[in-house]
Parts: sequence; structure tokens; C-alpha cells
Amino acid sequence: EIVLTQSPGTLSLSPGERATLSCRASQSISSNLAWYQQKPGQAPRLLIYGASTRATGIPARFSGSGSGTEFTLTISSLQSEDFAVYFCHQYNNWHTFGLGTKLEIK
Amino acid sequence: EVQLVQSGAEVKKPGESLKISCKGSGYRFTSSWIGWVRQMPGKGLEWMGIIHGGDSDTKYSPSFQGQVTISVDKSISTAYLQWSSLKASDTAIYYCARPRGRDYFDDWGQGTLVTVSS
Repeated sequence: EIVLTQSPGTLSLSPGERATLSCRASQSISSNLAWYQQKPGQAPRLLIYGASTRATGIPARFSGSGSGTEFTLTISSLQSEDFAVYFCHQYNNWHTFGLGTKLEIK
Repeated sequence: EVQLVQSGAEVKKPGESLKISCKGSGYRFTSSWIGWVRQMPGKGLEWMGIIHGGDSDTKYSPSFQGQVTISVDKSISTAYLQWSSLKASDTAIYYCARPRGRDYFDDWGQGTLVTVSS
């Protein structure tokens, strides 16, 4: 089973700042990685797939990069609505999720 | 518009059985897979398994193999997740989600809260 390790566990930033979230896979998953945002009481929402392709309707301030075992989600300038939990998901070998990064207001 | 509508919240006692549902619409159910994802209180997402809406081909996560049963009734475009004997540790929100192909999940149900308590 492929394990995804997300870091940091919690990230405290202010609106307008840049957020960088990491996801490391225990073995190569090519570019078969997605990112989701989840707000309290809501289902996850797809942000990025194929490591770097934004899903429909996702603002350009969200970007993804990486391949193989190292991946990054970047939010260029945080808006108030971006404070949430973010999960990475590999679908190279069936499916696993990371434990999440909580992005909180500093 | 793709919609996945899940059954309502459940409160059960340990040892009881349960079957929750996820009805798909707005797409060809028999050509798509549906996955189930668990989220325990305050925790992350865990993939449980996935089933094909047309031929019922099913794959379980090793962590959930033998613990739950995933099925479909393609005549009513509905997927199911069931337990034969619930435990308190099954308390969680369960999401169904439709992958693009067998890949990333781009459509999600609203979640079903299952509470198991004596």
C-alpha cells in the first residue's frame, strides 16, 4: 500500500500570504496525485488532479507541482475562504489519502 | 449535473447491521465506478473500496476487506455500503464519490453520519 505523508500537520498564516503544502509518497506515483479542500461540515472538493491541473472552477491562485514522490500545493495569496483542511490523494495504485494539512488563520 | 445523494444519518447499537446508500444521477451509472471513503471524527480520509456500476467489479482496501460489503443495484443507480455487525469504532461519516475513470474523485455525496453507541 502506498503511504502519503503530508506536511506540515498545521500551517498558520495570514490572509495575503503564500501557502506551501507538501505531500510525499512512499513510492513513485508518477503524476497520479490529486488535492482536495475540505471545510467543516462539507464533503471534500477536488482542487487539483494529475499533480498540476486545476479542476473546473478552481481559482488560479491554487497550483500544484511535482511528480514521482514529491508534490506541492501552493496557494499564492491566501483568501479568507481558503482556510480549511487539505488532503492529497494518490490514484496510481488504487487509492490512498494523506492525513491532511490544516491551514489556519494566524 | 452529476449528483450523488446519500441516505440519512443512522444511530445504531454495537452488533447491529446496517446498509447505507448512494444514488447517482446525471451520468451513466453503469459506465462508472463509485468509491466509499470513511472519515472518523476529526480525522482524515480513508479509502474503503470501489465498485463498478455496470458489472459490480469490486476492489477493497486491505484495511476494510472483510469488514464491510460494497454492492450496487444498477436498476436504480444506487451503490451500497453495509456492515453485518457494527462496532463503536465504525462511528464516522461515510462518503461516496465518483472517480473520473478509476482515478481522482471529482464528485462527492453529502456524506452519511453513522453513530454506533450502546
